[in-house]
Amino acid sequence: DTGVSQDPRHKITKRGQNVTFRCDPISEHNRLYWYRQTLGQGPEFLTYFQNEAQLEKSRLLSDRFSAERPKGSFSTLEIQRTEQGDSAMYLCASSSTGASYNEQFFGPGTRLTVL
Amino acid sequence: TQLLEQSPQFLSIQEGENLTVYCNSSSVFSSLQWYRQEPGEGPVLLVTVVTGGEVKKLKRLTFQFGDARKDSSLHITAAQPGDTGLYLCAGQTTSGYALNFGKGTSLLVTP
Repeated sequence: DTGVSQDPRHKITKRGQNVTFRCDPISEHNRLYWYRQTLGQGPEFLTYFQNEAQLEKSRLLSDRFSAERPKGSFSTLEIQRTEQGDSAMYLCASSSTGASYNEQFFGPGTRLTVL
Repeated sequence: TQLLEQSPQFLSIQEGENLTVYCNSSSVFSSLQWYRQEPGEGPVLLVTVVTGGEVKKLKRLTFQFGDARKDSSLHITAAQPGDTGLYLCAGQTTSGYALNFGKGTSLLVTP
């Protein structure tokens, strides 16, 4: 049984570059979430998919951020024109509509450093 | 705006001691989860509580959900160095599926 996987684990980029992260959820999970965590803070919600539909977006998700889940399986999060303030750990989680309490299981995260 | 306040923010204790960390809010949650996170890794789910007054035990860890479903506590008995990590509480309201996290309690258990 594989858990949530994320790729890459680490990304260093220069300010102004575009970056894309991938998340593969637990195979039977139809809900997928993206969170961002900065140093000394808990994770903050960015967006949520049920199957391929993006149903909820946080105000944190500026116009430079876009997320997709085209076939209802894996998801990508793209950040355009990165800024130093985008440096953070980007976490993906998944859950199942069949679960009683919508328990979310997290991947290992992608650590982004913008120079 | 942080919906959940965790205390203490940092805790350093010796092996064998007991400790309690707290998670408080003015909001009511339909469920509340506790996670543990190690440096450079994602949070790992420890437990979910859903009923006011509920108590759950996981080996040396005891979790309690407040009667009004606004607060929770985590008690660790006879802490071990392997308990070291960041403990996060996260609540889900009835208005959506996003988890609202506290800032966490960073625990260090020394031998």
